[in-house]
Amino acid sequence: DAKTTQPPSMDCAEGRAANLPCNHSTISGNEYVYWYRQIHSQGPQYIIHGLKNNETNEMASLIITEDRKSSTLILPHATLRDTAVYYCIVRVGNQFYFGTGTSLTVIP
Amino acid sequence: NAGVTQTPKFRVLKTGQSMTLLCAQDMNHEYMYWYRQDPGMGLRLIHYSVGEGTTAKGEVPDGYNVSRLKKQNFLLGLESAAPSQTSVYFCASSYFGGWGSYNEQFFGPGTRLTVL
Repeated sequence: DAKTTQPPSMDCAEGRAANLPCNHSTISGNEYVYWYRQIHSQGPQYIIHGLKNNETNEMASLIITEDRKSSTLILPHATLRDTAVYYCIVRVGNQFYFGTGTSLTVIP
Repeated sequence: NAGVTQTPKFRVLKTGQSMTLLCAQDMNHEYMYWYRQDPGMGLRLIHYSVGEGTTAKGEVPDGYNVSRLKKQNFLLGLESAAPSQTSVYFCASSYFGGWGSYNEQFFGPGTRLTVL
């Protein structure tokens, strides 16, 4: 069974915020949620991670619901270079479980 | 720093042939991982290593073997390649991976393998 569920694709206008949702309803209390992105089939790149609290870094913000069953990655001002596949990942012990990802297209 | 490098970048095999993929990292990371990515899908973990001389099975280990003889290298072997192993293979490394710890993985550029 998939540990994460994401919409297959989304569009976002350049300069606007991109909000990418993820469901991880079976996550347990000590399992982190990670977000990576993959551009043009290159190796995935780390964006952000969190456990319980909302997190922000220079790239994005991560909002995790209080029951931890879902999260949202927010790219505050999307640019054309943010066009990529975004993966919501649950880490269980030493293993990362990737979902099928959301293909984000930023439109000029 | 080169980061994580993978050799070769592309390879075509015939069914039944064997090959070894090499992953090298120069960041002194303890943990290393091998993933495969099939078209339209996310990455799936094949095997991983938590330190030199140790290996463990991931989500899809069948048909693959690994070795970690040196801390900086992680080898993935296919003893008898099958068409179902046609995929893109990614190696990754991380500094640490214990429970409750931050564990950013750094990925290599991938190896595109086709088995005919």
